[in-house]
Formats: sequence, structure tokens, C-alpha cells
Amino acid sequence: DGGITQSPKYLFRKEGQNVTLSCEQNLNHDAMYWYRQDPGQGLRLIYYSQIVNDFQKGDIAEGYSVSREKKESFPLTVTSAQKNPTAFYLCASSILDWDDNEQFFGPGTRLTVL
Amino acid sequence: AQKVTQAQTEISVVEKEDVTLDCVYETRDTTYYLFWYKQPPSGELVFLIRRNSFDEQNEISGRYSWNFQKSTSSFNFTITASQVVDSAVYFCALTQGGSEKLVFGKGTKLTVNP
Repeated sequence: DGGITQSPKYLFRKEGQNVTLSCEQNLNHDAMYWYRQDPGQGLRLIYYSQIVNDFQKGDIAEGYSVSREKKESFPLTVTSAQKNPTAFYLCASSILDWDDNEQFFGPGTRLTVL
Repeated sequence: AQKVTQAQTEISVVEKEDVTLDCVYETRDTTYYLFWYKQPPSGELVFLIRRNSFDEQNEISGRYSWNFQKSTSSFNFTITASQVVDSAVYFCALTQGGSEKLVFGKGTKLTVNP
């Protein structure tokens, strides 16, 4: 089955630790995205990538880092510099076609920093 | 700057009632796309519809219908004869600046009671 996988579903970390969230897609999509969702809020874009080895900051990139070494994978690292890391993180992907541009989402990872 | 406003934070209805979710957007782009996504309790966003700025035709898909009006910058979503399975958070989203990036509204939580 084609889709987007995120692991783990729940993640607990101590304050001050870096943590990496996994996102893999087998849809052969060029573009991948990371969003953060807080309770009662919409999704806010953290980083996105349109091609391997290239990525751009979104609206709330501070305290986060990403890599895109393979087309299928777009891991997100939440660093200790992120002041409020507890949130629900969603990964998405899409093709780069303006007329066919809906994003497909993974199941999300709920990160809790203790 | 692009902005999406979903003024209804929460709506509660009884099964079989019709319900309309409002979405108002702001953009300076002449070409843009609007989307609706559904987020069930599991957390994964499910794509419902995409509409481009040049197509103001209303759309119906089963019990779902969408009303796009550029004159009022609105893209409202109606569920006819609601069902318990429609309970979810619904997000309206808008493309940013001619790219595939999306800006999301804060969502409307719909609860359909039996």
C-alpha cells in the first residue's frame, strides 16, 4: 500500500534532549512537509523540501532541523533550542504539479517533553 | 499575507441534521487553491476537496457539498444528514504565494450526537 509512515506514534523525552521524528513515503512524491499542531490550533509549517538535498524554512523553523538525503525520507529533529516542543507533528507529501497539489498526510507523532 | 479564518471553533449537532462549516480567506494572489481536510480522532488528516480560484462552481459529493464565493472570499462546507462518523475536526487551507505550501485555519470541531 502506498502512503506515509511516521514513527513512533507517541514519543516521550526529557527536557534538553534532541529527538528525531521519522517520516517515510512510498508515493514517489517530490515534495515533503513538516507541520506542528497545538491544541485548538491549525497546522503550522516547520520545514518543507521540494527536492533531495534541499529544504526551506517554514513559518516556525526555529529550534528544528531537517535533512533530505533520500526522496522517500524527511526526518525532523527537535532540538533543545525549541522552547515548547510538546505538540503533535504531522508529515505530508505532494507531487510538484500546481494543478494536482493536494498534500497527503501521515498519522502523526505526538511528542511529549517531560 | 494569506490568512484563513474558521470562526466556528466547535459545533454540536444531532444526527441527521445539516451543518455548515464556514471558511473565510484572505490572499493577494490571483491564482490560488483552497482545500478542506478532515481530522478524525486518530489524528491523520484526510483530504476532502481542492478548488482553484477560477472555478466557482459548487461541488457535491454524496452528503458533502462546497460553496465557493470569491465575492465574499468564502469556501463553506455543508454536510447533509450528518452522521456520528462525521465527528472530527475540519480544516480549511489556502495555498501560499503560488506554491504548494499551505496556510491552515484553526479548524472547526464537529460533534455529531446520536
